[in-house]
Amino acid sequence: AQTVTQSQPEMSVQEAETVTLSCTYDTSESNYYLFWYKQPPSRQMILVIRQEAYKQQNATENRFSVNFQKAAKSFSLKISDSQLGDTAMYFCAAIQGAQKLVFGQGTRLTINP
Amino acid sequence: GAVVSQHPSWVICKSGTSVKIECRSLDFQATTMFWYRQFPKQSLMLMATSNEGSKATYEQGVEKDKFLINHASLTLSTLTVTSAHPEDSSFYICSARDPSGSFSYNEQFFGPGTRLTVL
Repeated sequence: AQTVTQSQPEMSVQEAETVTLSCTYDTSESNYYLFWYKQPPSRQMILVIRQEAYKQQNATENRFSVNFQKAAKSFSLKISDSQLGDTAMYFCAAIQGAQKLVFGQGTRLTINP
Repeated sequence: GAVVSQHPSWVICKSGTSVKIECRSLDFQATTMFWYRQFPKQSLMLMATSNEGSKATYEQGVEKDKFLINHASLTLSTLTVTSAHPEDSSFYICSARDPSGSFSYNEQFFGPGTRLTVL
């Protein structure tokens, strides 16, 4: 079974700084997808970025990028030039095939002015 | 991206009553929908997988008689919390799987959630 672990319950940085959120996972499958979701105070789940396991190139979406280390089963999220609107809960998640999404415990990120 | 709605967004009910929460995929047909429960400051916990035209598959530990799920059409799934009690108070989130997506895993789209408060 897949497991996803986020070891940082809370993080706090100043606006404009760069922050990295950590995530490790465990799976026996060779083909899977990894995600970072953002849940702002509105509690709407928003997909931030996705990574296909068979792609070696790290995914990027504007200020958001990942460091995907397949051998180490690590999938960290880097937020550059952080903004106040980035304040939210961030969940790392994984899925294989048509199975269920498995979420990590979440990291509460606060961007301070 | 695809849109999923939930109704109501917030409901308060008395202990012992039943509450129905609707989840709709607005611009795509979802053969599979998922229901999650989220406690404050915690992660999403999958309660059940809802398949159109068939019985829902419940996760271990979830009472199927307490949380009734019906997926009668390709765009609507409902979660009914029967005989609700204060411990059922929580945030309930649905997601819908879009089978027409370009990724092999069938991307899920999340509804905005429903806050249930049982007095």
